[in-house]
Amino acid sequence: SQQGEEDPQALSIQEGENATMNCSYKTSINNLQWYRQNSGRGLVHLILIRSNEREKHSGRLRVTLDTSKKSSSLLITASRAADTASYFCATKENSGAGSYQLTFGKGTKLSVIP
Amino acid sequence: GAGVSQSPSNKVTEKGKDVELRCDPISGHTALYWYRQSLGQGLEFLIYFQGNSAPDKSGLPSDRFSAERTGGSVSTLTIQRTQQEDSAVYLCASSLGGTISNYGYTFGSGTRLTVV
Repeated sequence: SQQGEEDPQALSIQEGENATMNCSYKTSINNLQWYRQNSGRGLVHLILIRSNEREKHSGRLRVTLDTSKKSSSLLITASRAADTASYFCATKENSGAGSYQLTFGKGTKLSVIP
Repeated sequence: GAGVSQSPSNKVTEKGKDVELRCDPISGHTALYWYRQSLGQGLEFLIYFQGNSAPDKSGLPSDRFSAERTGGSVSTLTIQRTQQEDSAVYLCASSLGGTISNYGYTFGSGTRLTVV
């Protein structure tokens, strides 16, 4: 079943601008992760935020988590053409079957125009 | 190896044939996962292996799909009597822990399966 849902489905920005992608989920989670996928092949793990964390940074990436709203956002600052990819959020639930594997959303397709 | 290795990278097969997809996880990663991604879609969980425990097969779409993991390392996903709707990219991932744990996954590059 769909747990995380990204918003928007597609985003097109100019190089140098900031890109913000959002993710909403439905159940109680242990952690939330963001991944990037180029050209429909393997995913690359970007960042993990635990349920007791509210914000995390990694280079040009900033992730926030609001467990009361069951939502997360991924901000990419000073975007580059190389950031063009699909971005997925994935959640690991606190209990049940979803605590053993990540549940992925459908992704946001980001295009950064040079 | 340094990363998760999947083979073949591309596979074209005729409808009704069986296929085997292989995944070599990162050495020392106890958890291994198979996902499927259809064109333009998110990832669909298929099966999960954790150490020597019985696998979680809850995501397998039909009994034509099966997977095994030998010696806690290499895994093979088998699709019998392939159908056109099986066409997708099959992604394998491994991680250090399976149950509630704060480890990210390392994905392979996937096998693109086309059933004609």
